[in-house]
Amino acid sequence: GEDVEQSLFLSVREGDSSVINCTYTDSSSTYLYWYKQEPGAGLQLLTYIFSNMDMKQDQRLTVLLNKKDKHLSLRIADTQTGDSAIYFCAESLSGTYKYIFGTGTRLKVLA
Amino acid sequence: NAGVTQTPKFQVLKTGQSMTLQCAQDMNHEYMSWYRQDPGMGLRLIHYSVGAGITDQGEVPNGYNVSRSTTEDFPLRLLSAAPSQTSVYFCASRPRPRTGGRDEQYFGPGTRLTVT
Repeated sequence: GEDVEQSLFLSVREGDSSVINCTYTDSSSTYLYWYKQEPGAGLQLLTYIFSNMDMKQDQRLTVLLNKKDKHLSLRIADTQTGDSAIYFCAESLSGTYKYIFGTGTRLKVLA
Repeated sequence: NAGVTQTPKFQVLKTGQSMTLQCAQDMNHEYMSWYRQDPGMGLRLIHYSVGAGITDQGEVPNGYNVSRSTTEDFPLRLLSAAPSQTSVYFCASRPRPRTGGRDEQYFGPGTRLTVT
């Protein structure tokens, strides 16, 4: 079946880089996403990558996609305390309603 | 443009009580859904709707009912609350999927429900 998996927790020191990993099972997915959930709030789209790309960079964020291993990662450079949140990866199949979220990774940034 | 709104923000129920969680969106989105979020389990889909008058079950539908009489509103009803329904509930909406297009979901701020 379809599944998207993430590790539950990650702790880093302020100023270090954070790498959050995700594995997915459905190779037909068209887009992969990273959502951020701040405490007490809903999810918001942080960034996304089209499945025919290997990498996407957006300021402090770098998304890497390894289609062969079905592995997605989100790197946050110079992690700040404001980056403390839960990060969800998700996959969708373009043109359909299929949309699957991972279990979420709680990032804690230590001052 | 308020996006996706949910009420109430917090609710405490006794076992056996019923209630309705409200969700509304002003973006004219076809698709709306309800998720529950529990520690270590991520988001689980309860029910979804692909348009007014059309609803379907998600992954964990038992104990919940939905209806979609308008494009804007998608209420979630708890028929007889149980402690296992203690959770944070999120409503989300998105437009009709486009072939070749990315597909962002828009989330409400959530309702924290405790059933004692």
